Amino acid sequence: NAGVTQTPKFQVLKTGQSMTLQCAQDMNHEYMSWYRQDPGMGLRLIHYSVGAGITDQGEVPNGYNVSRSTTEDFPLRLLSAAPSQTSVYFCASSYQGLNTGELFFGEGSRLTVL
Amino acid sequence: AQSVAQPEDQVNVAEGNPLTVKCTYSVSGNPYLFWYVQYPNRGLQFLLKYITGDNLVKGSYGFEAEFNKSQTSFHLKKPSALVSDSALYFCAVTPMNRDDKIIFGKGTRLHILP
Repeated sequence: NAGVTQTPKFQVLKTGQSMTLQCAQDMNHEYMSWYRQDPGMGLRLIHYSVGAGITDQGEVPNGYNVSRSTTEDFPLRLLSAAPSQTSVYFCASSYQGLNTGELFFGEGSRLTVL
Repeated sequence: AQSVAQPEDQVNVAEGNPLTVKCTYSVSGNPYLFWYVQYPNRGLQFLLKYITGDNLVKGSYGFEAEFNKSQTSFHLKKPSALVSDSALYFCAVTPMNRDDKIIFGKGTRLHILP
């Protein structure tokens, strides 16, 4: 069981570079989301999707883009990396609405922006 | 504003003693409440949830949580702590009228001392 797979696990970027964090799930979950985790800040929602073709902004969307062309994949794009985007990023999915479902998380992607 | 508070950044407990990790929430309407655990360099894992019914909820690894509506609390408990319980614990809530967003607390680091 692969679950939620994130790549890459580690990445170092220079300011201004762009990159895509990949997220794939093999559980046929409709709901997918991206969080960033910073010390003392908990998890903050960046973007989320309730199904293919549907995305919406979370708490901290600026500087990030997402798309959901398939149920399985939900990539997160950094358009022009900034040091403030140094963080650990988690992708998570759920098989039903968050009122009753539980989130399944990937292992995380640690990003450093110099 | 809807929020989740974990008032303790860190909790230290001797192995074999009972443990409590505190969580209070502020959300309109009836909440749905969750606890997640994060081990080092891993994604979050679901522990337990309260949707409705019995105020005492049992979850994975011997953990339980008590929902107290009057005190708007959802404290995590375990009768006898193990060293392997040492991890970062997150409380989370979804408002009843929204099933697309979940609000996480900032996390409490639990240290179980041998």
